[in-house]
Amino acid sequence: QVQLQESGPGLVKPSETLSLTCTVSGGSISTYYWSWIRQPPGKGLEWIGYIYYSGSTNYNPSLKSRVTISVGPSKNQFSLKLSSVTAADTAVYYCARGELLGYFDYWGQGTLVTASS
Amino acid sequence: QSVLTQPPSASGAPGQRVTISCSGSSSNIGSNYVYWYQQLPGTAPKLLIYRNNQRPSGVPDRFSGSKSGTSASLAISGLRSEDEADYYCAAWDDRLSGPNAVFGGGTKLTVL
Repeated sequence: QVQLQESGPGLVKPSETLSLTCTVSGGSISTYYWSWIRQPPGKGLEWIGYIYYSGSTNYNPSLKSRVTISVGPSKNQFSLKLSSVTAADTAVYYCARGELLGYFDYWGQGTLVTASS
Repeated sequence: QSVLTQPPSASGAPGQRVTISCSGSSSNIGSNYVYWYQQLPGTAPKLLIYRNNQRPSGVPDRFSGSKSGTSASLAISGLRSEDEADYYCAAWDDRLSGPNAVFGGGTKLTVL
């Protein structure tokens, strides 16, 4: 059974960089597309972007200038960096497995990141 | 403002049938599959319907999806208390530097 687990700081200061890692267990990150999706408190879902295991990426145009998704730091992990955060970036951040133009079938439990001084 | 449009709320009594609509455009629903996710309180979203009308293993046949043109809908029949959740439609959008995944704003289903 594939499982995903997000990890990283729960508090980030405004203007700094949010960094999260997703660890995949029960399967390999080879093949499939690996996404980050966020949900502000009480609001809907927003796709941030994906990475293919080969390293190719695609980002939400509204966040593209601030987002970097990469494979690593360890095998079966992928990471999210979101720069210049503001209070509007406060959200539960999910990592998820998917197919290109397909569905997200496995999700992490989510981790709340608050942007506040 | 979400790319896909859903009603913010829906409700029904146990045993009834309820439908949730999802409206998009030619660049998303009109040219790609629609997916539906169920989010129970305090949990991650769960895939409910894929490729417009397919149910993953384990999803009861009380849940069904359909698509026509640039709109889609989720129907839940024989409503049960455990169906009370937020429901999100999703699709891939081919505009700009896509494809980009887009979601509806979510519909909160209340079982009366």
